[in-house]
Amino acid sequence: AQKVTQAQTEISVVEKEDVTLDCVYETRDTTYYLFWYKQPPSGELVFLIRRNSFDEQNEISGRYSWNFQKSTSSFNFTITASQVVDSAVYFCALSPPSGGSYIPTFGRGTSLIVHP
Amino acid sequence: DAGVIQSPRHEVTEMGQEVTLRCKPISGHDYLFWYRQTMMRGLELLIYFNNNVPIDDSGMPEDRFSAKMPNASFSTLKIQPSEPRDSAVYFCASSLTWASTDTQYFGPGTRLTVL
Repeated sequence: AQKVTQAQTEISVVEKEDVTLDCVYETRDTTYYLFWYKQPPSGELVFLIRRNSFDEQNEISGRYSWNFQKSTSSFNFTITASQVVDSAVYFCALSPPSGGSYIPTFGRGTSLIVHP
Repeated sequence: DAGVIQSPRHEVTEMGQEVTLRCKPISGHDYLFWYRQTMMRGLELLIYFNNNVPIDDSGMPEDRFSAKMPNASFSTLKIQPSEPRDSAVYFCASSLTWASTDTQYFGPGTRLTVL
């Protein structure tokens, strides 16, 4: 069975601080996909990243970066110089390998509040 | 492009009624996904299609739920009969392919309330 744990229910920071959202997963699959999604207060869902377990390189996109550590089963998400617009709930997800079912398992989400 | 379009945005119905949610994916996208979000269960993927064909519906909670994609530009998620526990926000998403670099684009969601 697959499991995704986002232990931080809520994080509160002040603008311009760096913040890391943790994601720890469990799976028996040797290959899999990991995802991050953002849900702003307006309620829409925004896809941020999908990472194949074969690729352990860290990913950077502007102020966003992702640290994939297969050895610790973690896929953490860091926002550098946070902004008020980063306030949202962030979800981490894990799915089985391609070629079969994609149906992901989602974490319960981390609510990030960025204060001005 | 207008993005992924979902209708209705809000639906209030009574237990036992049939509910149909609609989704128009972004033109040219081969993949379409239906998600559900509730406080109790969080986010769940219900079903996804590739080139109009359902690939995996193991996330569909019960036989009361059915989804179709009659053509590349339209999909429906039907609940018959509806129950109060079906109350949720239902999101539709599409992507061009499902390669690692592809982005999934979400619709605004349909907020369903079953009384």
